[in-house]
Parts: sequence; structure tokens; C-alpha cells
Amino acid sequence: DQQVKQNSPSLSVQEGRISILNCDYTNSMFDYFLWYKKYPAEGPTFLISISSIKDKNEDGRFTVFLNKSAKHLSLHIVPSQPGDSAVYFCAASATRTLANAGGTSYGKLTFGQGTILTVHP
Amino acid sequence: DTGVSQNPRHKITKRGQNVTFRCDPISEHNRLYWYRQTLGQGPEFLTYFQNEAQLEKSRLLSDRFSAERPKGSFSTLEIQRTEQGDSAMYLCALRGPGLYNEQFFGPGTRLTVL
Repeated sequence: DQQVKQNSPSLSVQEGRISILNCDYTNSMFDYFLWYKKYPAEGPTFLISISSIKDKNEDGRFTVFLNKSAKHLSLHIVPSQPGDSAVYFCAASATRTLANAGGTSYGKLTFGQGTILTVHP
Repeated sequence: DTGVSQNPRHKITKRGQNVTFRCDPISEHNRLYWYRQTLGQGPEFLTYFQNEAQLEKSRLLSDRFSAERPKGSFSTLEIQRTEQGDSAMYLCALRGPGLYNEQFFGPGTRLTVL
């Protein structure tokens, strides 16, 4: 089952405008959320993260918003630049023990399928 | 520089052959993860090491896959009797010092099974 979903395979934005990338999740045990950027033939690069106790985290041009009731998060990039063109992945992790299932989480990340962002000059 | 190197960067092999990948943290990290990424998908968790102990394995890690982390430093991932479905990017990641489970990925090893 896909616990983290990015329903938009691609997004095209004009340089200088806002890019909004969306992500939905189903597992209520997730309490940390992260965004990664990936260029071809490279590993994912960490961008920004947020804890479930917050609803917003900002770092320069990047802002992540979390709506826990909707199980939805988004990444805003303002202003968008051509160098932002890449594949963006959202990821989630659960740090609490699943007491009823006897499981333990060691912080593994569950990723969405990715969204290809293209920023046109 | 993410602090982790992976070798080889690319590997082409024939079906049925064994392959081994290596992950080398530049500095000491006690938490190391392996992921696999196929085309059009996000990375999928394979296994986790805390120091030399392998504490979690995904159901994706069939009995043809084995991972080790002797002495809690570098790690190896071996695939025996490779199949075409094993073709993917294999990624190693280190847990960072932050509070939010940030992980920092190496450049990956691209495996192609012919």
C-alpha cells in the first residue's frame, strides 16, 4: 500500500513564480516529514523537514506546510529558479513504537513517487 | 558532499551473477540505511544498521540479498543470482544529527541486469 503519495507526476512553472508541490499520507504514526530533491544519476539531497507538532517550517526560499487533519503537506518554493528543476520527493518517518503490533521504528523513510518540477526561464 | 561514498557507481551484470556494492561513510556514523529506487518510484527502504547490528530488514530484502556492516564502519550489500527485476539504483544513507530523522544519501550504485 502506498502510504505516501504525490499525485502530480509533473509541474511546470515560470521562473520567479511560486512552485507548490503536494504530498498526502495515510499512516497516522508518521511524525516527521521531509522533502528531498534529486537530479539524475545522483542520490536525493535533503531540503527541509517538519515535525508533526508544527504546521510550518521555513528555510530561505523553501517553506513546508503540514495539515495533520488532512494528512497533507506541501512544499512552496518562492521565487522559483531554473536550477530548481529536478525531481522532488516527500518522505515520512515514524519514531514511535507500534505498541499493539510490537514493532519498532528505526527512522526509516517512506517516500512518495516524486514530482518532476520544471522551471522555465 | 553528503559524507558518504558508494562504489561502484555503475554495475552491469548478466542474470544469475552475484554483485556486491559498498558504502563508505567519510566519518563515523552509527546509523546507516540502504534503499532501492526503481524508475518512476521513490526510494524504498531495504535495511538498517545501528553500528554493526542489522536491526531492521524490509520484506523487499529476499533471501538473495544480504547486507553487512563489519566493525560498524563501511557496509556492503550483496545480491546473489541477480534477476532483471533487481535493476535499480541502490542508495546508502546516513542518519544526520538533526531531530527529524534527516538522512543524507550517497550518490548511489546503478545496477543493470541483462
